Amino acid sequence: NAGVTQTPKFRILKIGQSMTLQCTQDMNHNYMYWYRQDPGMGLKLIYYSVGAGITDKGEVPNGYNVSRSTTEDFPLRLELAAPSQTSVYFCASSYSPGMNTEAFFGQGTRLTVV
Amino acid sequence: AQSVTQPDIHITVSEGASLELRCNYSYGATPYLFWYVQSPGQGLQLLLKYFSGDTLVQGIKGFEAEFKRSQSSFNLRKPSVHWSDAAEYFCAVGVRTRRIAQKLVFGQGTRLTINP
Repeated sequence: NAGVTQTPKFRILKIGQSMTLQCTQDMNHNYMYWYRQDPGMGLKLIYYSVGAGITDKGEVPNGYNVSRSTTEDFPLRLELAAPSQTSVYFCASSYSPGMNTEAFFGQGTRLTVV
Repeated sequence: AQSVTQPDIHITVSEGASLELRCNYSYGATPYLFWYVQSPGQGLQLLLKYFSGDTLVQGIKGFEAEFKRSQSSFNLRKPSVHWSDAAEYFCAVGVRTRRIAQKLVFGQGTRLTINP
């Protein structure tokens, strides 16, 4: 089972460039999430989705956009990259909306903006 | 507002020694608590979770955690660590969002180093 797959694993962007971080899951989970991980700060929720066509903002959404056209895919878009977006990004998915649900994480995308 | 605090940023223990990683949470409702482990270059893997019932929960890789409501704590323990346990450990609390999705609020993480 592939689980949650993120691409690319590493990327260097110049300030002002744009890119899309890809995330796909093969577990038929309705709920998907994007987190960013900064050193010493734990993980912060950027956006989440409760199903195809439905997304909502998390704690730190500024500078990002998402879409959810299929159950499997949940791409994260950076339109104008800024140094503050240098981070490790994790995509996750879960089966149920309940709080007692395990979230499955991808391996992460390490992004550097210079 | 909900929050999770892991007081120890970095802990070093010798192989074979016992381990306890601390976690304190702040959440107004019944907490749903998790411990995740992140090995170098890897994503997060669930170690164990607490939803209700027995306050001592067992997880994978020989880890256990004890929920203490009076202390708002959910500390992770292992009787004897192995070199392969070197990783970063995250405590998290599951909270409800307005769309009834699960949101995980994470602590800052504790980096565990194992001395041979």
